[in-house]
Amino acid sequence: DIQMTQSPSSLSASVGDRVTITCRASQGISNYLAWYQQKPGKVPKLLIYAASTLQSGVPSRFSGSGSGTDFTLTISSLQPEDVATYYCQKYNSAPITFGQGTRLEIK
Amino acid sequence: EVQMLESGGGLVQPGGSLRLSCAASGFTFSSYAMSWVRQAPGKGLEWVSVISGSGDSTYYTDSVKGRFTISRDNSKNTLYLQMNSLRAEDTAVYYCAKQRSGGVTAAINYWGQGTLVTVSS
Repeated sequence: DIQMTQSPSSLSASVGDRVTITCRASQGISNYLAWYQQKPGKVPKLLIYAASTLQSGVPSRFSGSGSGTDFTLTISSLQPEDVATYYCQKYNSAPITFGQGTRLEIK
Repeated sequence: EVQMLESGGGLVQPGGSLRLSCAASGFTFSSYAMSWVRQAPGKGLEWVSVISGSGDSTYYTDSVKGRFTISRDNSKNTLYLQMNSLRAEDTAVYYCAKQRSGGVTAAINYWGQGTLVTVSS
């Protein structure tokens, strides 16, 4: 089975910073990659699908890139409301696997 | 408005069974694949199972194969997860999730609020 590895597992950044989270697949998955945001005590929310397509209603400061095995979620200017855990997910085939998550805090 | 309401969670002893239900509304249910995703207390997201829109295709994570069965009734707009031989490690919030298309290779764009399953003696 394909494994998804996110890095870092946690990070702290200042408001206005550019933040990058990486997700690596153990085998190529083309662009079948999604990013989700889960705020504390809340249900996950889809941010990005097809590696780089922004879900409707998601702020434009979020962007995704990559293909094959290496993917990136970028927040161009961190806002206080972005405090959350972020997960990547591959969905090219079953099993549909999530990364272990990246906890983002404000410094 | 897309809505999904899970039910059926609760406390069960190891080795016991539960059946989760997810009543969906606000979209053409039969046109979309549906998944169950769980989250153990303080842990990350774990995909459990997916079923295609037609119900013809089903897949499971290895740890639940042979114990859990996903199904759907498109006439009732309802998704199910039959869970047998439950173990302590199955303790989690179980989310019903709608995928973006009828096939299983699609991202999840809507999530229910979740139902808590606790396996303990």
